Amino acid sequence: GENVEQHPSTLSVQEGDSAVIKCTYSDSASNYFPWYKQELGKGPQLIIDIRSNVGEKKDQRIAVTLNKTAKHFSLHITETQPEDSAVYFCAVGLQGGSEKLVFGKGMKLTVNP
Amino acid sequence: EAGVTQFPSHSVIEKGQTVTLRCDPISGHDNLYWYRRVMGKEIKFLLHFVKESKQDESGMPNNRFLAERTGGTYSTLKVQPAELEDSGVYFCASSRNRGNNSPLHFGNGTRLTVT
Repeated sequence: GENVEQHPSTLSVQEGDSAVIKCTYSDSASNYFPWYKQELGKGPQLIIDIRSNVGEKKDQRIAVTLNKTAKHFSLHITETQPEDSAVYFCAVGLQGGSEKLVFGKGMKLTVNP
Repeated sequence: EAGVTQFPSHSVIEKGQTVTLRCDPISGHDNLYWYRRVMGKEIKFLLHFVKESKQDESGMPNNRFLAERTGGTYSTLKVQPAELEDSGVYFCASSRNRGNNSPLHFGNGTRLTVT
């Protein structure tokens, strides 16, 4: 089955710096790559996603890049703010009837003011 | 619109007891999913309902777990009897349509602790 690796597991940056989270996956048939942000005590919230026919997508301070050949995708956060502090999960969508997502282990981002 | 709601938010039970978790999806969302995160690990898929039917239950760990969605509205996930390794955060999510064009909306989760 699909295997998703996410790294680093923790990242601490100063306010204003950039943060990058990387994920790799194993199933070349996967075609949907969402990123979720989980704040303390809350459920994961979709922040951006990308599909396999697109190499890059940007939404204000966040961007995602996808390299299907290498089977990896990354989340980039620029001009980080303290409210960006959270756990970020990458996920991969599998083709087939269920549309279930396979998640990475998550990365805890701390933005220091 | 109201989000996905889960009840209870926390549950502490002893090994061998029974616990039932409830999820109310967003109104009109036919697709309902259960996921689980064990401490420090990835969020893992448990099962997927389309209305009242189980579309995929390949992630259910064993027959101690029973999920239902009678009437195609809210869903329950029962663990009976609970074991220590069942501890974790159980998330419910819903989406309006099938396929990856319809994003998942997650609830805040139920934190289950089995002692």
